[in-house]
Amino acid sequence: GNSVTQMEGPVTLSEEAFLTINCTYTATGYPSLFWYVQYPGEGLQLLLKATKADDKGSNKGFEATYRKETTSFHLEKGSVQVSDSAVYFCALSDRGASGSRLTFGEGTQLTVNP
Amino acid sequence: DAGITQSPRHKVTETGTPVTLRCHQTENHRYMYWYRQDPGHGLRLIHYSYGVKDTDKGEVSDGYSVSRSKTEDFLLTLESATSSQTSVYFCAISESRGMYEQYFGPGTRLTVT
Repeated sequence: GNSVTQMEGPVTLSEEAFLTINCTYTATGYPSLFWYVQYPGEGLQLLLKATKADDKGSNKGFEATYRKETTSFHLEKGSVQVSDSAVYFCALSDRGASGSRLTFGEGTQLTVNP
Repeated sequence: DAGITQSPRHKVTETGTPVTLRCHQTENHRYMYWYRQDPGHGLRLIHYSYGVKDTDKGEVSDGYSVSRSKTEDFLLTLESATSSQTSVYFCAISESRGMYEQYFGPGTRLTVT
């Protein structure tokens, strides 16, 4: 079956530091890949996505590249801000006849200190 | 923001009682999903719907049932709540098979005592 593995958290950084959150996946076929972000007390928001190999998703300074050869989709940001403190989820979507079914990683808590 | 509301937002109930959570959307999306979020597990799919009266099980469906009589509403029922069902429940929607991203509601925090 499908699975997603994220780097263990929590991650604590100082403002303006470089961020990497690792994500690897196992899937049959050619899934779409996503990063979602969850701010305290809120639901998940789509941060970025990639639908095929070598695609780069980007949004709000965050980037991730779909690497089929390493089955990875690592999230990066060059300079984090305090407002980026949240939980980040990597997810993949299989392409079934009954719509998309997302498989999530466990989430990585990011705290950015001023 | 996608028009998704969940009710109630918070609920405390006793073991053995039935509980129904409601998800309402104003986007006219075909697909709707119920997830639960627990520490160390991320989000896990409970049930999903691919049309009115069309539903299927997810990976953690035991103890839960769903119904969808209208496009805009997707109900999750715990027939007899147990303490292991204490969790945060999220509803999500997606537009079509070709649009694989899902949009999430604000969540319902359920505590079973």
